[in-house]
Amino acid sequence: DIQMTQSPSSLSASVGDRVTITCRASQSISSYLNWYQQKPGKAPKLLIYAASSLQSGVPSRFSGSGSGTDFTLTISSLQPEDFATYYCQQSYSIEWTFGQGTKVEIK
Amino acid sequence: QLQLQESGPGLVKPSETLSLTCTVSGGSISSSSYYWGWIRQPPGKGLEWIGSIYYSGSTYYNPSLKSRVTISVDTSKNQFSLKLSSVTAADTAVYYCARGDPLTGPYWGQGTLVTVSS
Repeated sequence: DIQMTQSPSSLSASVGDRVTITCRASQSISSYLNWYQQKPGKAPKLLIYAASSLQSGVPSRFSGSGSGTDFTLTISSLQPEDFATYYCQQSYSIEWTFGQGTKVEIK
Repeated sequence: QLQLQESGPGLVKPSETLSLTCTVSGGSISSSSYYWGWIRQPPGKGLEWIGSIYYSGSTYYNPSLKSRVTISVDTSKNQFSLKLSSVTAADTAVYYCARGDPLTGPYWGQGTLVTVSS
């Protein structure tokens, strides 16, 4: 199966900061990489699909990049509502796998 | 608008079988463009893919759960279902159903909490 390694596992940042989260696949997954935001008690919310496509309704401060094995989620200017846990997920294979998650906390 | 809704018992006894159904509305489960899956998340932990199915009935399961999982589809009801046998407390989780779409990304239901306890 395809392993997804996400880093860091947590970070502390301030409102207005630029935040970058990385995800690495154990083999090439082309651009079949999705990013989610999850808040406590809620379902994961799709932010980015196909590595760099912004889901409808998601603010433009979120962006994704990468292909092959290395991917990045960037929040250009962190807002109070962005404090949450973020997951990457590969859909190259029907056997989905997820990163371990990155918890973004208030500094 | 597409909606996926999980339903089933919120409490299951140890050693019994967990059964959940996902009802799809606003779209057809019979489309060859998509596949349908189950994911779970134990309290305070990460996301784990359980398995997926095409409308034709082809199934794919997480190797760690394969011996206990059955996923099926009922095209007449626009539903697909999950059965997980011989459950233990470790199977307590929020269970999500989802649609897999290679072009526009996955679409998830809101999830349902299943607790395994006597």
